[in-house]
Amino acid sequence: GNSVTQMEGPVTLSEEAFLTINCTYTATGYPSLFWYVQYPGEGLQLLLKATKADDKGSNKGFEATYRKETTSFHLEKGSVQVSDSAVYFCALRRYGGATNKLIFGTGTLLAVQP
Amino acid sequence: GAVVSQHPSWVICKSGTSVKIECRSLDFQATTMFWYRQFPKQSLMLMATSNEGSKATYEQGVEKDKFLINHASLTLSTLTVTSAHPEDSSFYICSAGLGTSVNEQYFGPGTRLTVT
Repeated sequence: GNSVTQMEGPVTLSEEAFLTINCTYTATGYPSLFWYVQYPGEGLQLLLKATKADDKGSNKGFEATYRKETTSFHLEKGSVQVSDSAVYFCALRRYGGATNKLIFGTGTLLAVQP
Repeated sequence: GAVVSQHPSWVICKSGTSVKIECRSLDFQATTMFWYRQFPKQSLMLMATSNEGSKATYEQGVEKDKFLINHASLTLSTLTVTSAHPEDSSFYICSAGLGTSVNEQYFGPGTRLTVT
């Protein structure tokens, strides 16, 4: 079946540190991959996405590369800020399905300290 | 653009009662809406997919008679938890998409349900 595995949190970093949140997936076919962010008290927001192998999604200094050979989509940011503190969810959507069903990982809490 | 609201943001109800949660797309028409349930420190689990004007499609293991979903218009879907029990306490999140095969879903802020 389709599934997403994320590194467990919380991840605690100092401001300006380098961030990596690991995400691997299992899927049939060729899924699209997503990172969503959930700030405290808010709904999930799409952070970035990649729809095919070797694509790099990027937004707000975050980036992730779709690696088919390692079935991974790790999230990275070179210098985190306190405002990046949130829960990050990796997700996949199977391409070509009749419905737009997203499958989420368990989420990783990021806490950035000043 | 693409704002989705939920009401209420939190609700407390007594065991055995029913509670309705609304999900609205404020600035676009949503052909498809999704309802998720999120347990603490766990992932979002899709409960059902609803298309405007038709019956919802429930995921395996979700009781359709307990979680009633209505998608009466292109901007409104409702989830009614019937005969609620404490184990139904959770965070319920809706999302809305454009069409049945879309690249993005737009999420509401969620509704915290506590059943006492």
